[in-house]
Amino acid sequence: RKEVEQDPGPFNVPEGATVAFNCTYSNSASQSFFWYRQDCRKEPKLLMSVYSSGNEDGRFTAQLNRASQYISLLIRDSKLSDSATYLCVVSHGSSNTGKLIFGQGTTLQVKP
Amino acid sequence: GAGVSQSPRYKVAKRGQDVALRCDPISGHVSLFWYQQALGQGPEFLTYFQNEAQLDKSGLPSDRFFAERPEGSVSTLKIQRTQQEDSAVYLCASSLSGGPKYEQYFGPGTRLTVT
Repeated sequence: RKEVEQDPGPFNVPEGATVAFNCTYSNSASQSFFWYRQDCRKEPKLLMSVYSSGNEDGRFTAQLNRASQYISLLIRDSKLSDSATYLCVVSHGSSNTGKLIFGQGTTLQVKP
Repeated sequence: GAGVSQSPRYKVAKRGQDVALRCDPISGHVSLFWYQQALGQGPEFLTYFQNEAQLDKSGLPSDRFFAERPEGSVSTLKIQRTQQEDSAVYLCASSLSGGPKYEQYFGPGTRLTVT
């Protein structure tokens, strides 16, 4: 079983839809949480960090539930340009390196 | 400003050949990471440098994999006697310092195909 689990999708949604991605992690030592975005054949880029209090950046909202070891990403009013793979990522507090542990990624395709 | 660069962008190797992949991190970034991304999977950690010191190599899959960063800037990932299962995209990332609070910036990757 992988340390970070995501539904690989693909999620096919129309423009303007709201879509939610979920992720679970198994190591309770995980201390930092992120969502990265990866376009086809490109490098991953940080989308947003995730905090226990929840955080919002425009149309994107991320939530963390430490008790359930569950992370979510909500995208409202989807745009064609949101089509990409979304990677759920954790980092352990016990690691001073900051090495990242990635989920498999969830593919989103937004259609006109 | 210049981001992380990697070369070559594509490499085809015959099984058994040795390959060397180069990473130029962002200038001034102390931390450097190598990740391996197989098709349809998320990246997996290989190794970590702080300046020239290799502090974590727990993700290297076998002793055929070797990484170095002798002067604390450019890094090379070497794979000896390549196998088909080594086919993947090798991503390099750098950050200002160690620890998760510093964002990692990824290079475009080297796509290695072993035939």
